[in-house]
Amino acid sequence: GQQLNQSPQSMFIQEGEDVSMNCTSSSIFNTWLWYKQDPGEGPVLLIALYKAGELTSNGRLTAQFGITRKDSFLNISASIPSDVGIYFCAGLIKAAGNKLTFGGGTRVLVKP
Amino acid sequence: EAGVAQSPRYKIIEKRQSVAFWCNPISGHATLYWYQQILGQGPKLLIQFQNNGVVDDSQLPKDRFSAERLKGVDSTLKIQPAKLEDSAVYLCASSRIRSGDIQYFGAGTRLSVL
Repeated sequence: GQQLNQSPQSMFIQEGEDVSMNCTSSSIFNTWLWYKQDPGEGPVLLIALYKAGELTSNGRLTAQFGITRKDSFLNISASIPSDVGIYFCAGLIKAAGNKLTFGGGTRVLVKP
Repeated sequence: EAGVAQSPRYKIIEKRQSVAFWCNPISGHATLYWYQQILGQGPKLLIQFQNNGVVDDSQLPKDRFSAERLKGVDSTLKIQPAKLEDSAVYLCASSRIRSGDIQYFGAGTRLSVL
């Protein structure tokens, strides 16, 4: 089956810093999605990407659908404490019955 | 609009017992999904329904897991008998059309098997 390699697995942020994370795969995806999951909650959709090369923003979040369709990245600018949580990338392949495959997640923590 | 509702939020059982989870999707959403999320991992699809029919259950351990969506709205997921490795969060999601791209998730049921 398809696998998504998400990195980094975890990161510490300081308020005001920019944060980047990415997802790569050996498979080609039709859609890339980025979700955020807070403790005790289900994933919440942040950004959806539908075309290779697409760059989409949602407030301080920016995500891009890689040209090869095998990768995507998410940037968070000027991080704030509520950005703490787990971020998941997810890819969808129409030929695979539209099944959504999730990455392992990037845990964003606040620097002590 | 109301989100995906799941119950219970938490369940603790002993191994070999049975357990059931309930999900009410967003009104009008034809497609419903059950995911298993083990601690520290991303969600893994167990089963996908389109209305009351199964679209994909290839990852469902059918010897112990079962799911139904009899009237094409609510769904239940059952585990019988439970094993220690079934400890996880069980997430339900729904989407408006079969494309499955915009899935909205419930808060999940956290299952602990002792």
